[in-house]
Amino acid sequence: QKEVEQDPGPLSVPEGAIVSLNCTYSNSAFQYFMWYRQYSRKGPELLMYTYSSGNKEDGRFTAQVDKSSKYISLFIRDSQPSDSATYLCAMSAGGGTSYGKLTFGQGTILTVHP
Amino acid sequence: DGGITQSPKYLFRKEGQNVTLSCEQNLNHDAMYWYRQDPGQGLRLIYYSQIVNDFQKGDIAEGYSVSREKKESFPLTVTSAQKNPTAFYLCASSIDRYRGHPTDTQYFGPGTRLTVL
Repeated sequence: QKEVEQDPGPLSVPEGAIVSLNCTYSNSAFQYFMWYRQYSRKGPELLMYTYSSGNKEDGRFTAQVDKSSKYISLFIRDSQPSDSATYLCAMSAGGGTSYGKLTFGQGTILTVHP
Repeated sequence: DGGITQSPKYLFRKEGQNVTLSCEQNLNHDAMYWYRQDPGQGLRLIYYSQIVNDFQKGDIAEGYSVSREKKESFPLTVTSAQKNPTAFYLCASSIDRYRGHPTDTQYFGPGTRLTVL
């Protein structure tokens, strides 16, 4: 079993839809949670970053972390064709011997059609 | 402009050859990383370095080697021992959290696509 599981999709939605992307994980030491967006043939760019449990909102994007369920989500409101990309969740235990080591999900391919 | 650059963008290798991928950053970050990305498998860590002249193996280091002689540079060599090197290679860097930055956030370069002929 992988430490981080992410539904690879692909996910296709109409413009304006609310998109929900999810990851589950098994390592209870993870406490830093990130979402990266990766356009085709490009490097990933950091979209959202959260520490421990809770919600964080940034414009049309909301990240949720539920450590008790080992489940994280990214919501995209009013989705746009420019949101079409692969979305990668990543997490880290931070500090100690696992310093700087991110564990990534497989990525979800999202297409928003006009 | 501050950022991470990788070169070349595309690289072709013949069987039995070693090739070196370049990664340079001018963000003054201490830590640097190399990942490999294959379709449907996300990113897997090859090597990482927290400080100059020091580096550690990641999850899939076999067939790869690195050096960290300068803070700005972290080249990756794909050796002939790597049996399946065709992949998209990504370099990343991050601030050293022990200097007071409470984050493991990594920033990525544009990637190098390596193909074995």
